[in-house]
Amino acid sequence: QVQLQESGPGLVKPSQTLSLTCTVSGDSISNGGSYWSWLRQHPGKGLEWIGYIYYSGNTYYNASLKSRVAISIDTSRNQFSLNVSSVTAADTAVYYCARGKPLPFQNFFDPWGQGTLVTVSS
Amino acid sequence: EIVMTQSPATLSVSPGERATLSCRASHSVNNNLAWYQQRPGQAPRLLIYAASTRATGIPARFSGSGSGTEFTLTISSLQSEDFAVYYCQQYNNWPGTFGHGTKVEIK
Repeated sequence: QVQLQESGPGLVKPSQTLSLTCTVSGDSISNGGSYWSWLRQHPGKGLEWIGYIYYSGNTYYNASLKSRVAISIDTSRNQFSLNVSSVTAADTAVYYCARGKPLPFQNFFDPWGQGTLVTVSS
Repeated sequence: EIVMTQSPATLSVSPGERATLSCRASHSVNNNLAWYQQRPGQAPRLLIYAASTRATGIPARFSGSGSGTEFTLTISSLQSEDFAVYYCQQYNNWPGTFGHGTKVEIK
């Protein structure tokens, strides 16, 4: 059974960098065919795909966040990470990591991590 | 970017009744459409992909149909655990985009 778990600070100050890590169990990040993804959900709102990383290190980001986002991978720890720089209150959201399938640029998501609320506030 | 529109925003249904949820895409997404269920305080759970294929472990009372721009999720007989918010997502065009959800509540 594949499981994902997000970790990281729940509170970030404006203008700083939000950093989260997703630990994967039950599947190897080094296996091909999965697109390790980050998504977010603003309070009471819908879902937004942030981007993904492939085991090779190739990354793809939503254009709306591209200038501030970086996703990295650590295959030795079976983890991938998200950094969002220069955060504002608009980045307050529940952040999810998820496994994307089946093709590059054409992903649905299964499974998801439980999500972690990140609040941007001084 | 493809815009996904879900209707209705809220659906009031009695337990045991049938629920029909709609999702419309602003452009054709072929059959690259997924449905998710989100219970309060939980992560979304994949129900359906490729418009009509149930994900592993999803009960047969959930069914999906449609192609192109019009899609439907049907829950044949609502159980207590089915009262939740349902999202559709297109993954035909990058980036994949989600609808704003339909809340299925107890009537």
